[in-house]
Amino acid sequence: EPEVTQTPSHQVTQMGQEVILRCVPISNHLYFYWYRQILGQKVEFLVSFYNNEISEKSEIFDDQFSVERPDGSNFTLKIRSTKLEDSAMYFCASSERQGVVGGYTFGSGTRLTVV
Amino acid sequence: QQQVKQSPQSLIVQKGGISIINCAYENTAFDYFPWYQQFPGKGPALLIAIRPDVSEKKEGRFTISFNKSAKQFSLHIMDSQPGDSATYFCAAIKAAGNKLTFGGGTRVLVKP
Repeated sequence: EPEVTQTPSHQVTQMGQEVILRCVPISNHLYFYWYRQILGQKVEFLVSFYNNEISEKSEIFDDQFSVERPDGSNFTLKIRSTKLEDSAMYFCASSERQGVVGGYTFGSGTRLTVV
Repeated sequence: QQQVKQSPQSLIVQKGGISIINCAYENTAFDYFPWYQQFPGKGPALLIAIRPDVSEKKEGRFTISFNKSAKQFSLHIMDSQPGDSATYFCAAIKAAGNKLTFGGGTRVLVKP
């Protein structure tokens, strides 16, 4: 079964440093997403990306965050100048179409710890 | 409003028992209501989903009941097994949208 692959699985970074979280979506999917889950809390939408541009973003996704699809396979989330409160699990997801849940697939996540 | 409210926060059930998780939503523009299962260290995985024009959907031991007028839906796990121990999230999405709105999650523990 096709998978969304995320690397690294765990990243520890110093406060104020920049981090890049990487994702390889399912190959025929066109829509890409990042979600965040602070420990013990619900999964929160950050951003959706389609046709090489952001289609929707949440209030959480401020100027500190950016996304990019640098090539035909990778989808990245960059966090500039990390803060302690950025510590969370970050999930990448992809879907073939919008508005349907079948095929909307999540990766296993990157645990980001900011110290 | 985009919120989806989920209860209870945690649930302990004996093997063979029924687990029931409830969710309520506010935005009538939502078109699909999925449930996700999440094991520790893993991402959410789609379990079952329903559209609001259907009152019930069953897949194996998992059943969604949907009450459109009350804007509520629930997940029933029949004959609960220790392998069902996980966190369950309800969610909602619009047909023309990309964003899943999640409930707060329910941690289910099935005791052998």
